[in-house]
Amino acid sequence: DVKVTQSSRYLVKRTGEKVFLECVQDMDHENMFWYRQDPGLGLRLIYFSYDVKMKEKGDIPEGYSVSREKKERFSLILESASTNQTSMYLCASSTRQGAASPLHFGNGTRLTVT
Amino acid sequence: GDSVTQMEGPVTLSEEAFLTINCTYTATGYPSLFWYVQYPGEGLQLLLKATKADDKGSNKGFEATYRKETTSFHLEKGSVQVSDSAVYFCALRSSQGAQKLVFGQGTRLTINP
Repeated sequence: DVKVTQSSRYLVKRTGEKVFLECVQDMDHENMFWYRQDPGLGLRLIYFSYDVKMKEKGDIPEGYSVSREKKERFSLILESASTNQTSMYLCASSTRQGAASPLHFGNGTRLTVT
Repeated sequence: GDSVTQMEGPVTLSEEAFLTINCTYTATGYPSLFWYVQYPGEGLQLLLKATKADDKGSNKGFEATYRKETTSFHLEKGSVQVSDSAVYFCALRSSQGAQKLVFGQGTRLTINP
């Protein structure tokens, strides 16, 4: 089974802090994704990556950056956390086999910014 | 751009009731369609998928048929159980461009014994 592991289940940070959310997958998947989940809004794509050192903006990249130095690891960075970034963050991975390939998700990190 | 519209929730049913959660989509090309389920405190799990028109995806008693003519992918189950209580997400993945997964807003389902 594919395993996508997010390093923290819960995080509490202060406004203005730099925050790192880590994600590791163990199935040698090329594609990795970061989504945020908010009630009534579903999941919205922040950033994704098709390969090492490669990144693409999703629908809501403002206030975020990402890093992919190794194939198995994809980090989401909040440069200066704000209260409107309080959310559930979900990491996912998939193979590069086109649209039919499903995404595999981690259990999420619930971030609270105070 | 691509989009998915799901039936508004929450939905509350009694055990053994018939379930339908409506999902319609807008997309260019020929997307693949998915239903994901999220149990309390967990991430999303793939429930079923369909990759072309008239395909039927099925898993754990749930079914959904890819209807290109009505751009729909409604989720159904003939007899729900308490353990089916979860949030259900319809999603599409485009065959063009970035192939990102686009989600509906989710439908919370509660099954009462």
